[in-house]
Amino acid sequence: QQPVQSPQAVILREGEDAVINCSSSKALYSVHWYRQKHGEAPIFLMILLKGGEQKGHDKISASFNEKKQQSSLYLTASQLSYSGTYFCGTEMRAAGNKLTFGGGTRVLVKP
Amino acid sequence: DAMVIQNPRYQVTQFGKPVTLSCSQTLNHNVMYWYQQKSSQAPKLLFHYYDKDFNNEADTPDNFQSRRPNTSFCFLDIRSPGLGDAAMYLCAASEIGTLQPQHFGDGTRLSIL
Repeated sequence: QQPVQSPQAVILREGEDAVINCSSSKALYSVHWYRQKHGEAPIFLMILLKGGEQKGHDKISASFNEKKQQSSLYLTASQLSYSGTYFCGTEMRAAGNKLTFGGGTRVLVKP
Repeated sequence: DAMVIQNPRYQVTQFGKPVTLSCSQTLNHNVMYWYQQKSSQAPKLLFHYYDKDFNNEADTPDNFQSRRPNTSFCFLDIRSPGLGDAAMYLCAASEIGTLQPQHFGDGTRLSIL
């Protein structure tokens, strides 16, 4: 079942912060985050495994709340290069390498 | 740099005319994937291989087939493309096992005339 991402789109000014949420109705093993720019390949950002785990990639960080079956991606002090569509991919323990991607969140960072 | 390469970047075919999309990887990863991505939608998994072990998603149309002759190469065959098959097709590779990031190619955009 596809995870639900919110919001669907967000517009930011350079330097502003944003939060993207990814929720699942099923028990998750891990959550993967990717960013895709128009016409390009999705680029891997990070994987979160344990409940409550937080990770960072430059000024992009994420958390995983196992109890809520939710992961949040935090864009801090956004840069123009953060523009793109962010996808979460959820992994179930029994599914091995398979990911189910959420519908994506479009992020536009303006100068 | 090690990477996933898809050819061609753009492919145009006629309604009903078979088409093959190609993917190669220099990462030497055991797992390869094919995704279909329509405009403004999430990538949708069509197939994946654990080495030569082929795994078909339940809702992948019979019209779509795949071949993996060796570790490096993987092909997506669409036997009789319909207008609804116009999409971006993404190939990815990863190490086997959980918690492995997937490395994507730039995709092939398929148009159907």
